[in-house]
Amino acid sequence: QVQLVESGGGLVKPGGSLRLSCAASGFTFSDYYMSWIRQAPGKGLEWVSYISSSGSTIYYADSVKGRFTISRDNAKNSLYLQMNSLRAEDTAVYYCARVDSGSYTLDYWGQGTLVTVSS
Amino acid sequence: QPVLTQPPSSSASPGESARLTCTLPSDINVGSYNIYWYQQKPGSPPRYLLYYYSDSDKGQGSGVPSRFSGSKDASANTGILLISGLQSEDEADYYCMIWPSNAQLVFGGGTKLTVL
Repeated sequence: QVQLVESGGGLVKPGGSLRLSCAASGFTFSDYYMSWIRQAPGKGLEWVSYISSSGSTIYYADSVKGRFTISRDNAKNSLYLQMNSLRAEDTAVYYCARVDSGSYTLDYWGQGTLVTVSS
Repeated sequence: QPVLTQPPSSSASPGESARLTCTLPSDINVGSYNIYWYQQKPGSPPRYLLYYYSDSDKGQGSGVPSRFSGSKDASANTGILLISGLQSEDEADYYCMIWPSNAQLVFGGGTKLTVL
């Protein structure tokens, strides 16, 4: 079965950095686009970034452009999000999700990892 | 970045139907987009429910009951999630989503559905 497991979250000071990982299993990872979505405490969903199956196409939300970098290692079935210059407003649960290649929905989601930016 | 407008809350009784809406901005024609719907219960990640483009182009998430269905109201530029035969387990937050371009993905603000 499809599984996505995020890791790497934690407490970081404003201006600091963190690298999130998402380990994928149960499907051919290299065939799928992947995405990061976040949810601030008590708030709605916010798309962060997505990456094509080969890694050649990448897009970011304006709120993270220039600070966050998405990447993937298809040999390791892993998705990453390098987060730099973190701000208090980046505090959220970060989810990785698979993009279905037919309908372009986010058909499977991980359980999420909490990132807290606070001094 | 376009804004998808969802009512913050909605309620209905068990066995009734709930109609949740997702209104697109006037410069984005609902008829041109897939509308995706997600359900989120407290402490859990979102779950994909379905997408709707037209009656001939739609899809249901794995294991999602057929009492969840999608539609559009072109006159209101709105996507609709209809939940029939409401059950207590349907109490959750519901989010709509579109891809307004291949460079971005947008979620609505979410609707909290209460089953009375």
